[in-house]
Amino acid sequence: DAGITQSPRHKVTETGTPVTLRCHQTENHRYMYWYRQDPGHGLRLIHYSYGVKDTDKGEVSDGYSVSRSKTEDFLLTLESATSSQTSVYFCAISEADREEYFGPGTRLTVT
Amino acid sequence: QKEVEQNSGPLSVPEGAIASLNCTYSDRGSQSFFWYRQYSGKSPELIMSIYSNGDKEDGRFTAQLNKASQYVSLLIRDSQPSDSATYLCAVRGNYGQNFVFGPGTRLSVLP
Repeated sequence: DAGITQSPRHKVTETGTPVTLRCHQTENHRYMYWYRQDPGHGLRLIHYSYGVKDTDKGEVSDGYSVSRSKTEDFLLTLESATSSQTSVYFCAISEADREEYFGPGTRLTVT
Repeated sequence: QKEVEQNSGPLSVPEGAIASLNCTYSDRGSQSFFWYRQYSGKSPELIMSIYSNGDKEDGRFTAQLNKASQYVSLLIRDSQPSDSATYLCAVRGNYGQNFVFGPGTRLSVLP
């Protein structure tokens, strides 16, 4: 299995609080991604990174920000969590236009 | 808007039968095609990638690509109850473009 970990694995938070999810890889892959997965919507790209400090928006980026200060770490921040951000969040990694490998996911509940 | 479509299912097949999963995509410039399996509560797991027209076989799995028809399929021979999962089709465009995922097809293999 690709060396990808996500933390925390589960989190319950209140509306309006900031939340940071962490993705850590040991594969030295250049590209890292954050997705959310919701029933009826499938996997949707939030943000991605193509190198240290190089990030860009995906399909559903509103309300989220990211940072990548090291090759191995990609952070996703919900600036002020809302109930609509209750979801399962997956991190993925890849090299260029090759396969993406997914982390175990974080289940986030915003109450 | 680039789209990837799959039959939502559920697709039910008896144990030992061939399961056929289909995927169509809208972007004619798409270059890379991937099948993922996702068990309930787990992260997507890569099954196969295919880049050229024709068939690609790996064990009980065969991926088929027809770029002219914008169609990619996955055949699972000798289906087992352990194959019961949701199968996700993912398509990547030209170099540097991100994945677009289909909504997934839920497969149920009946003992």
